[in-house]
Amino acid sequence: DGGITQSPKYLFRKEGQNVTLSCEQNLNHDAMYWYRQDPGQGLRLIYYSQIVNDFQKGDIAEGYSVSREKKESFPLTVTSAQKNPTAFYLCASSIRDSGYGYTFGSGTRLTVV
Amino acid sequence: GENVEQHPSTLSVQEGDSAVIKCTYSDSASNYFPWYKQELGKRPQLIIDIRSNVGEKKDQRIAVTLNKTAKHFSLHITETQPEDSAVYFCAATENSGGYQKVTFGTGTKLQVIP
Repeated sequence: DGGITQSPKYLFRKEGQNVTLSCEQNLNHDAMYWYRQDPGQGLRLIYYSQIVNDFQKGDIAEGYSVSREKKESFPLTVTSAQKNPTAFYLCASSIRDSGYGYTFGSGTRLTVV
Repeated sequence: GENVEQHPSTLSVQEGDSAVIKCTYSDSASNYFPWYKQELGKRPQLIIDIRSNVGEKKDQRIAVTLNKTAKHFSLHITETQPEDSAVYFCAATENSGGYQKVTFGTGTKLQVIP
C-alpha cells in the first residue's frame, strides 16, 4: 500500500460502541490526516497532525478522537457520540511543506449494525 | 478559507475521446494543485500536479493547466480508455504556518464507454 497501511479494511460497530481505526506509515512523513468519504461526496477532514504529540481538529471532528504518540502512527477512534459513523475512512500522510501530494492508505469501511 | 468548486460532477465520454474536468479556487495564497484518481472502493492516488509558477504540465495522456489570474485549473485526458473510468478529485493547497492546508473538490465521476 505504498508505505501507509490502514486496518481493518472492514469494520462493524454496534450502537453505543467505540471503535478504533489504525493508520501506520513508514514514509517518514511528519504530517498525517484523517478524512471521511460519504457516497457521492468529496473528502472531509476530521483531524490532522503535523508532528508527534500534536493534532488539530478538522472540519468534522465532533464524535471522533485521535492520538499521535509516534511519528508512524495516527489512530482514529470513532466514539458513540458520532451519530452517523457509517462511511469510508481514509488516512493520508505527507511532507509538511506545501507542494507535495498526499499518500493515502487503502481505507477502512465502517458500518453501524 | 479556501473554497474549491469542481465541474462536472459526472462525465461520460466515448472511448478515444477527450475528457476535461474544471476546478476553481478562491484563495490566491494556494500554490499547489494536485489531482487524484480514485477507482471504486480504492484509495485516491496522485496522478498529476502543478505548482503556481507553472501554467501547464503534461504526462503522457493527461495534462493540467493553471490560470492563476482567473483562479482556475483543469485536467485534460486525451484518447480516453475504459481504465480511465474513476472518480477524479482536484485540490488546492496552501502553506499555512508550516502545514499544508488542502481543500478538495467534490469529485467528478468519469465513465469511459467502450
